[in-house]
Amino acid sequence: DTEVTQTPKHLVMGMTNKKSLKCEQHMGHRAMYWYKQKAKKPPELMFVYSYEKLSINESVPSRFSPECPNSSLLNLHLHALQPEDSALYLCASSYGPIDTQYFGPGTRLTVL
Amino acid sequence: RKEVEQDPGPFNVPEGATVAFNCTYSNSASQSFFWYRQDCRKEPKLLMSVYSSGNEDGRFTAQLNRASQYISLLIRDSKLSDSATYLCAVNMVHNQGGKLIFGQGTELSVKP
Repeated sequence: DTEVTQTPKHLVMGMTNKKSLKCEQHMGHRAMYWYKQKAKKPPELMFVYSYEKLSINESVPSRFSPECPNSSLLNLHLHALQPEDSALYLCASSYGPIDTQYFGPGTRLTVL
Repeated sequence: RKEVEQDPGPFNVPEGATVAFNCTYSNSASQSFFWYRQDCRKEPKLLMSVYSSGNEDGRFTAQLNRASQYISLLIRDSKLSDSATYLCAVNMVHNQGGKLIFGQGTELSVKP
């Protein structure tokens, strides 16, 4: 089973709202990732957690705040987003840092 | 120079055609290599990992050339269902986390 789940599937929020995206995997993977994908572009790495510790932050604005409560869960807290943050947000997981990454179905975010 | 360069296409081919995609990468410290397939408004799904010895899965053959720093994907006997965007991806370890960098993606359209 290579399933990564993400909720919600779709999210519409205003620029003053606070919301959270959730990601879960039960494959025993030790690394989890957040990516952002705009239309007609490839996914761009945002954050990497390795053994529940933040190991990579790709200079993401502080209005995006990741959290890894345990080895199976990954959250992305959103606050004061801008319309240009509208995108597909993808979560992925892998067993180790150079192993295959498996992606969840994504959350399609619209910021009004 | 982009870290991973890929011809964006689109490639429009008839059913039964053979089509080849290539990617070049700039960082010789890259450690693992992949081809993903992404359908419209869906998440990337792993197609193949790529090894120096080459690997084949049915109609799909992937190859890695470390000396020249490129990876390739060959699709033989194209089917209508092969229509999708194909993304090459290159992984390296950074701060104990895997950093997966995608090419721009090549759009393939297989026509009857």
